[in-house]
Amino acid sequence: GESVGLHLPTLSVQEGDNSIINCAYSNSASDYFIWYKQESGKGPQFIIDIRSNMDKRQGQRVTVLLNKTVKHLSLQIAATQPGDSAVYFCAENDEAGNQFYFGTGTSLTVIP
Amino acid sequence: NAGVMQNPRHLVRRRGQEARLRCSPMKGHSHVYWYRQLPEEGLKFMVYLQKENIIDESGMPKERFSAEFPKEGPSILRIQQVVRGDSAAYFCASSIFASGGATYNEQFFGPGTRLTVL
Repeated sequence: GESVGLHLPTLSVQEGDNSIINCAYSNSASDYFIWYKQESGKGPQFIIDIRSNMDKRQGQRVTVLLNKTVKHLSLQIAATQPGDSAVYFCAENDEAGNQFYFGTGTSLTVIP
Repeated sequence: NAGVMQNPRHLVRRRGQEARLRCSPMKGHSHVYWYRQLPEEGLKFMVYLQKENIIDESGMPKERFSAEFPKEGPSILRIQQVVRGDSAAYFCASSIFASGGATYNEQFFGPGTRLTVL
């Protein structure tokens, strides 16, 4: 039969507001995480990474929070701009593997 | 320094034909990864290669799919006898060191090849 795909979670924010995008992971052995931004028709672009020995890391306008207890990762974007509109993926990697496991992504739309 | 290059950007094939996707990693990168992305889904790992070696192909279907990364030239992902279910975007990424183990390095992604099977 025909399979039905999952709809991408969506988030709409006003320009200038802060955005928070969440990601849950399942592998407790994952020890390295990356947030990627993917614009329409383009490949994923690295935003920020964090290792499991940290719970917070800040970049330019972005902050990643890691809660290992509940296996949760979040990306905070300050003063969201129209250029931030894209799909955001979290990716996890464990020490034993060579591959990254990607989440399904969240579509962020910034309303001018 | 040019980024990861992929070609073609768009590829249309009829069922039963072969598809060849090419990936040139960033200069100085000897680790290449192939991912597949279906619409509105995340990227799914397929294969990880170093020059002349397949390191991990656990995400690649056993039949019809193959990958290589020769000593000279781009990495090639080859899909034989394509079916409609192969329609997807295929992304290649490269890194300087292995992404995993005790050393972490960012994977830089190419723009992808969008394969459509009619």
